[in-house]
Parts: sequence; structure tokens; C-alpha cells
Amino acid sequence: TQLLEQSPQFLSIQEGENLTVYCNSSSVFSSLQWYRQEPGEGPVLLVTVVTGGEVKKLKRLTFQFGDARKDSSLHITAAQPGDTGLYLCAGASAMNYGGSQGNLIFGKGTKLSVKP
Amino acid sequence: KAGVTQTPRYLIKTRGQQVTLSCSPISGHRSVSWYQQTPGQGLQFLFEYFSETQRNKGNFPGRFSGRQFSNSRSEMNVSTLELGDSALYLCASSLIRWGNNEQFFGPGTRLTVL
Repeated sequence: TQLLEQSPQFLSIQEGENLTVYCNSSSVFSSLQWYRQEPGEGPVLLVTVVTGGEVKKLKRLTFQFGDARKDSSLHITAAQPGDTGLYLCAGASAMNYGGSQGNLIFGKGTKLSVKP
Repeated sequence: KAGVTQTPRYLIKTRGQQVTLSCSPISGHRSVSWYQQTPGQGLQFLFEYFSETQRNKGNFPGRFSGRQFSNSRSEMNVSTLELGDSALYLCASSLIRWGNNEQFFGPGTRLTVL
């Protein structure tokens, strides 16, 4: 069974601080996605990383895919209250074939609270 | 472009009843996946449909079923509801593109079983 472990589970910080969220697995993924979810809403896709070692930046958010495609990290610089939410990583199995899209494996999420 | 829509947004049922949830994918998306989200287990994959066929199924009992129509809209059904079925049910749609597993989620249906 493939698992994605996210850490930390909870994070409460002050506005302006930096933070990193980790997503680890013993399995290889063909791609990894990061989502943010707000209460009562569905997850919103932030980024997809596909290549081992890939780094993508989205304003103050930096996403990295591990060289072996088993882990990923999300770094937020100068966090703002608007960054508050549940951050989820999701991996697509390297065993998916036939173009199957559905079986994303999700971590349990990191609940981030940024206080003004 | 309209996003993924799910109806209803909220449902309250009692044990033993059955429920049907509906999902309309983004126009042009032919793959629809369903997930169950609970505080304890997080997001868990239920099943995926493409061209009216179930292509993948997660580890859920047979009480959970679904279908997809020719216009890509999808429904999921839960029969003989149990208290543990209380959850946020999320639908996600995606384009079929090799190596691209990006999924776009709807707002979810919050199901409460009493």
C-alpha cells in the first residue's frame, strides 16, 4: 500500500515567518501535486511537479520534488494570513497506466494557521 | 469556464437510508473521480469513471457505487447508510493526458448520517 506522510500535522505561526511542509513516501510517484483546501470547500490545485529534482515557484511558495520522486516539500516565505488553510500533497502512482487519472494518494494534510 | 459542481452541498440522512450525490465535471473533462474526506482518514479514493466505465476502485465496501453518463456527469450512491459514512464527499474531474494527473475538485457534498 502506498502512503504519503505529511509533516507537521499542525502549524501555527505569525505573519512574516517562513515555513516548510514535508511530504514523504517510500514509493515512487510519477507526479506529485500540492493542493490548498479551505473549510467547507474542495481542494484547489496549486502546482504539479513531475521531474525528479524539479523546483517550481508560485509567488512566495516554492515546491520541490525529490530526486528519487519519493518526497516533496513546500516552502512559504513571509507567510500571510491569507495562506491559512489545509495543505495537501497527492501522489500519482508510478504504476498507473492506460492514462488512468483517478487514483491519487493523498497525505493527511498540514493545517496551517497564520496569525496577523 | 465553469468549475466542477456538486449537488446537493449538504445532506442529512438516518442510518439505513440510501443517498445519491451528483457531480458535473468541467466542460471537456471526461474523467471523474470520487473521494471521501474525514478528519481521521483524510482524503480516500472511492472510484474513477471514464467514458461511462469504472476504471479504478478504492478499498470501500460494495454499498458505495457510482456511474457516469454520456455527458460525463457522474453520480455516486451509498446504500444502507452507517454513522461512519458521515463525511465530505468530493468529486474531481480531469483531462485525459498521459502523465498528467491534475484533478480539479468540486466544493463537495457534506453528508451527515444520524
